[in-house]
Amino acid sequence: RKEVEQDPGPFNVPEGATVAFNCTYSNSASQSFFWYRQDCRKEPKLLMSVYSSGNEDGRFTAQLNRASQYISLLIRDSKLSDSATYLCVVTMIKAAGNKLTFGGGTRVLVKP
Amino acid sequence: ETGVTQSPTHLIKTRGQQVTLRCSSQSGHNTVSWYQQALGQGPQFIFQYYREEENGRGNFPPRFSGLQFPNYSSELNVNALELDDSALYLCASHPLGGRETQYFGPGTRLLVL
Repeated sequence: RKEVEQDPGPFNVPEGATVAFNCTYSNSASQSFFWYRQDCRKEPKLLMSVYSSGNEDGRFTAQLNRASQYISLLIRDSKLSDSATYLCVVTMIKAAGNKLTFGGGTRVLVKP
Repeated sequence: ETGVTQSPTHLIKTRGQQVTLRCSSQSGHNTVSWYQQALGQGPQFIFQYYREEENGRGNFPPRFSGLQFPNYSSELNVNALELDDSALYLCASHPLGGRETQYFGPGTRLLVL
């Protein structure tokens, strides 16, 4: 079983609509959670951190459910520029080697 | 822009050759991590360097090796290249530990023929 799993999509979303997708993680000791965005043939860029109480950044809302070991991302009022692959990332904070563990990514296509 | 730079941007090699990829970390970051991203997959952790020593390694064979220099820049070396080594190689710089996330360079795209 993969440590971090995502629905690969693609999620085809009409412009202006809302889309949401989840990511599950297997290591209950995971401490920090992030969503990264990756455009085609580019490097991943941090979209937002995910906090236990849930957090919002403009049109983006992230939630963490530790009991069920999943995080979610919701995008409201989708823009064409939101088309990208969204990577779920978990990590453990430790002195030695805090590696990021990535999911395979969820592809989102926003269409006019 | 993250301030993390990588070179070269693209590279073509043949099976059995050796390759060296380079990364300059963001100012103030003392740790560099390397990731391999195959087409259609998420990045996979290769290893991390802190104070010029390897500080954690993923599930990659010994022919993947690295260096970190006193200015915190880093190299990734891959010997005996295989076709499956074709991928985007990403370098990320960050402070060690802590909750600050890692910031990626633009990557080096390696094609092994």
